[in-house]
Amino acid sequence: EAAVTQSPRSKVAVTGGKVTLSCHQTNNHDYMYWYRQDTGHGLRLIHYSYVADSTEKGDIPDGYKASRPSQENFSLILELASLSQTAVYFCASSRDWGSSYEQYFGPGTRLTVL
Amino acid sequence: GNSVTQMQGQVTLSEEEFLFINCTYSTTGYPTLFWYVQYPGEGPQLLLKVTTANNKGSSRGFEATYDKGTTSFHLQKASVQESDSAVYYCVLGRMSNYNVLYFGSGTKLTVEP
Repeated sequence: EAAVTQSPRSKVAVTGGKVTLSCHQTNNHDYMYWYRQDTGHGLRLIHYSYVADSTEKGDIPDGYKASRPSQENFSLILELASLSQTAVYFCASSRDWGSSYEQYFGPGTRLTVL
Repeated sequence: GNSVTQMQGQVTLSEEEFLFINCTYSTTGYPTLFWYVQYPGEGPQLLLKVTTANNKGSSRGFEATYDKGTTSFHLQKASVQESDSAVYYCVLGRMSNYNVLYFGSGTKLTVEP
């Protein structure tokens, strides 16, 4: 069974503070992704990674950094949190071969910036 | 660029009614198209996939068909159940670009008993 976990599941942060969201997968997948979900926008890709120690920008990377220290772990970092970054964040993983190309999502982290 | 448009933000049906959700997409080349479903408090999960090779896909009683000529992609189910209540996302996949996905805005389906 595919497994992607996220921590914390919920967080309240202050404007200007630093926030780190963590993601861990046990799928042995090479590809990992960070999305944010806002009402009316579906999910939008922030950063992704296809190999450890390397990250790529997605569609909305401004204000976010990502870190992939190992195949299993992928973090999303908000150096200076802002009100506009209040959202639900999802991590996902995917294999890099085979016909499925399915992404497996974690349960999400609800971030509220005050 | 790559984009997906879902016009139906909310759909409310009674049990055993017919479901039809449409979306349109914009991309180049040969995409793979997906429908993902999200239940409350969970992350999205794959419902079904359609490739340009077969034009159709099905899973759990749902069927999806895509039309390259009109760049449309729709999801249907003959008879919905209350347990089908969820948010359904039309998704465009670029498998040649590290499996990056582009999500539509979602359609919230509510099925009343």
